[in-house]
Amino acid sequence: GESVGLHLPTLSVQEGDNSIINCAYSNSASDYFIWYKQESGKGPQFIIDIRSNMDKRQGQRVTVLLNKTVKHLSLQIAATQPGDSAVYFCAENSGGSNYKLTFGKGTLLTVNP
Amino acid sequence: NAGVTQTPKFRILKIGQSMTLQCTQDMNHNYMYWYRQDPGMGLKLIYYSVGAGITDKGEVPNGYNVSRSTTEDFPLRLELAAPSQTSVYFCASSPRDRGLGQPQHFGDGTRLSIL
Repeated sequence: GESVGLHLPTLSVQEGDNSIINCAYSNSASDYFIWYKQESGKGPQFIIDIRSNMDKRQGQRVTVLLNKTVKHLSLQIAATQPGDSAVYFCAENSGGSNYKLTFGKGTLLTVNP
Repeated sequence: NAGVTQTPKFRILKIGQSMTLQCTQDMNHNYMYWYRQDPGMGLKLIYYSVGAGITDKGEVPNGYNVSRSTTEDFPLRLELAAPSQTSVYFCASSPRDRGLGQPQHFGDGTRLSIL
């Protein structure tokens, strides 16, 4: 999950395993959530989003789960590949704002071949 | 598909110098944003714009200025560069959301060092 400070949480997995990255969001009024992937030297890349009227949404090899009761969001990546190695971070719309986002600090995913 | 384009990619400035970071998007998005990203930290919103001619402060606006004369362009100006402004700057845009929320789309950043 997320943490305060200069050192990102890290997750190391073997190629082919499933990865689960967690995020605790801060504002109970947030109703829109996004997962981004950021590779070294690149800008954040949109992966998947979910609105608060859903608790699960699936994309290609990715699934996002939302638990509003405990303000928790997770990203599951199936059959993780070396190209999935990156920093992943979640974002929430700030207190219900429809266009301003608050970003978490991220989790570094390393996929070992 | 160009998306969000930022220039320059890298820049070194001396303390007290000024510069403009350029951002342009070709997706006809109404909303545009500037963020800074410091090592190990999340993105911090500097300024944002909901349309041409409209700008507003974000979380960390001090030392920066913006303008939005067209839908496509949203330049960020540093007037008196300070070492604390050493960071990676990202520009993003998003479409009008109609109340449902929309993801922001990012450029690849400008890496700025102030010495």
